[in-house]
Amino acid sequence: SQKIEQNSEALNIQEGKTATLTCNYTNYSPAYLQWYRQDPGRGPVFLLLIRENEKEKRKERLKVTFDTTLKQSLFHITASQPADSATYLCALLSGGYQKVTFGTGTKLQVIP
Amino acid sequence: DAGVIQSPRHEVTEMGQEVTLRCKPISGHDYLFWYRQTMMRGLELLIYFNNNVPIDDSGMPEDRFSAKMPNASFSTLKIQPSEPRDSAVYFCASTSSYNEQFFGPGTRLTVL
Repeated sequence: SQKIEQNSEALNIQEGKTATLTCNYTNYSPAYLQWYRQDPGRGPVFLLLIRENEKEKRKERLKVTFDTTLKQSLFHITASQPADSATYLCALLSGGYQKVTFGTGTKLQVIP
Repeated sequence: DAGVIQSPRHEVTEMGQEVTLRCKPISGHDYLFWYRQTMMRGLELLIYFNNNVPIDDSGMPEDRFSAKMPNASFSTLKIQPSEPRDSAVYFCASTSSYNEQFFGPGTRLTVL
């Protein structure tokens, strides 16, 4: 069955460092991979999308990589700030329709 | 635009009662999704609509759950009868492309 795994443990890093979050998947051939941010008590907010034929995507301090051979995406936040503290969700989308499958998320805590 | 609107924000009910959750998508979006989020299972897709037509309801847990979209600006998710295991946060999201989904603030449902 399809499975998406994200770091189940919370990730604590020091302010100013780079945070790296992992999303691994099995039994899935996504055409797109998305990353969302979720704050407590709120709905997820879209951050970045990367297509299967793209290796890397950047947006300001965010960088996403997508390795379809390893079946893995890495999400990086450079120069992390306490305001980056949140839960980050990866989501996989197959081509042809809009059904999205979400990972369970990784809670990031940036320590001042 | 006000974004995706959900009501109520919180619902507390007793086992066996009927619960109706409501969603108003962003104007112009032709896809609408209902999700359920729990600590144990994360964010799960229940059902999604395209142009008011249900496309995939394979995530609906059982016959107690039903969803309708009578027009482009309104959708309901109904649980009848409700059970304690239905307690979760229910999110509605809408989109018009593969790029991103816009989530509402969610409805926190507690079934006693």
